[in-house]
Amino acid sequence: GAVVSQHPSRVICKSGTSVKIECRSLDFQATTMFWYRQFPKQSLMLMATSNEGSKATYEQGVEKDKFLINHASLTLSTLTVTSAHPEDSSFYICSAWAEPNQPQHFGDGTRLSIL
Amino acid sequence: QKEVEQNSGPLSVPEGAIASLNCTYSDRGSQSFFWYRQYSGKSPELIMFIYSNGDKEDGRFTAQLNKASQYVSLLIRDSQPSDSATYLCAVLANQAGTALIFGKGTTLSVSS
Repeated sequence: GAVVSQHPSRVICKSGTSVKIECRSLDFQATTMFWYRQFPKQSLMLMATSNEGSKATYEQGVEKDKFLINHASLTLSTLTVTSAHPEDSSFYICSAWAEPNQPQHFGDGTRLSIL
Repeated sequence: QKEVEQNSGPLSVPEGAIASLNCTYSDRGSQSFFWYRQYSGKSPELIMFIYSNGDKEDGRFTAQLNKASQYVSLLIRDSQPSDSATYLCAVLANQAGTALIFGKGTTLSVSS
């Protein structure tokens, strides 16, 4: 149980393109989902906390206008990287938990490459 | 600033040996502690979690927590080449359900 599905797994696109990444909880409802970014040989850095039905909470230094988060239902959160540039190339991973304070379950990640 | 510290390694052990991975955290109010394994290019996979002081064993893995010393460790017995990966220590800071704070990870290499 507690499966988190993330799509797409790989995106390659031109600079200036907007890219949407979906994160779905398949067998549980997730009022809270988290979006992380991981650069090569670095650890996961929290970008934002996505709350169902309300605005996301962004970490310091993360541009909310560039990384749009929508958590429209209890099973789906989306991250849109607007006008992506090469420096946005990274591994984006979402996570969710079935119950608060229980271990988080991670999606398989999305590798974004901006040319 | 809440921090989680890990030795980046690499930690090299021969097959069959015990691998010991260590982690310290700065927030004394931290409640829950997790170890994730991450293979190159993949997302993290939960290995163990521990909430109470002492040891918690699951198969070849043992997590150890000492809240007084703000220290959590992961022991891997009978290490296998397939255990070669980066191990991430993560801390949940409080009961409010905030996100995990990750250490930078320790790279483990098990040689056959």
